[in-house]
Amino acid sequence: GQQVMQIPQYQHVQEGEDFTTYCNSSTTLSNIQWYKQRPGGHPVFLIQLVKSGEVKKQKRLTFQFGEAKKNSSLHITATQTTDVGTYFCAGQPVRQGAQKLVFGQGTRLTINP
Amino acid sequence: DGGITQSPKYLFRKEGQNVTLSCEQNLNHDAMYWYRQDPGQGLRLIYYSQIVNDFQKGDIAEGYSVSREKKESFPLTVTSAQKNPTAFYLCASSIVGRGNTEAFFGQGTRLTVV
Repeated sequence: GQQVMQIPQYQHVQEGEDFTTYCNSSTTLSNIQWYKQRPGGHPVFLIQLVKSGEVKKQKRLTFQFGEAKKNSSLHITATQTTDVGTYFCAGQPVRQGAQKLVFGQGTRLTINP
Repeated sequence: DGGITQSPKYLFRKEGQNVTLSCEQNLNHDAMYWYRQDPGQGLRLIYYSQIVNDFQKGDIAEGYSVSREKKESFPLTVTSAQKNPTAFYLCASSIVGRGNTEAFFGQGTRLTVV
């Protein structure tokens, strides 16, 4: 079945350093979504990318969708303590009628203030 | 106030008992999902449904069952056949289609089987 792999599993940075997490799917995706889960909370939607090669920015966060629509990345510039949490990518496969949403394993970000 | 509600937040059951987790949404979403999250792990898809009276198995459906008799409701039963049921269970819903298919999550139910 479809697999979505995410690396790294953990990342610890000093406040102010940059952070990147990578997502790779075994199959072509119709779209990729990114979520953030704070400790003890539930995943909260950040963004959805649909087009091949698409790049979107939200303040210090930059999201990219690969040309082949099989990989994606999230980059945070100059991390702040509020960025702490686990970041998940989630992909929907290209298949008529399918509304399956498969999550990666997540990257847990911790920050040293 | 629109949203997705899971109940209860914490649930304790004895081994061998079936237990049903509730998930209700008033967002008028067609798609609903159940995920399992283990400590320090990602979200694994148990079941999903795109429309009333229809649902599909996810990656880890064994030992679980669902129903979708109403658009608003997608209860998950954890049966005694599930070998390791203790986990955090998350329900989500979204629209179906080409637009923004953002998934909205409930607060989750933490199930402990003793």
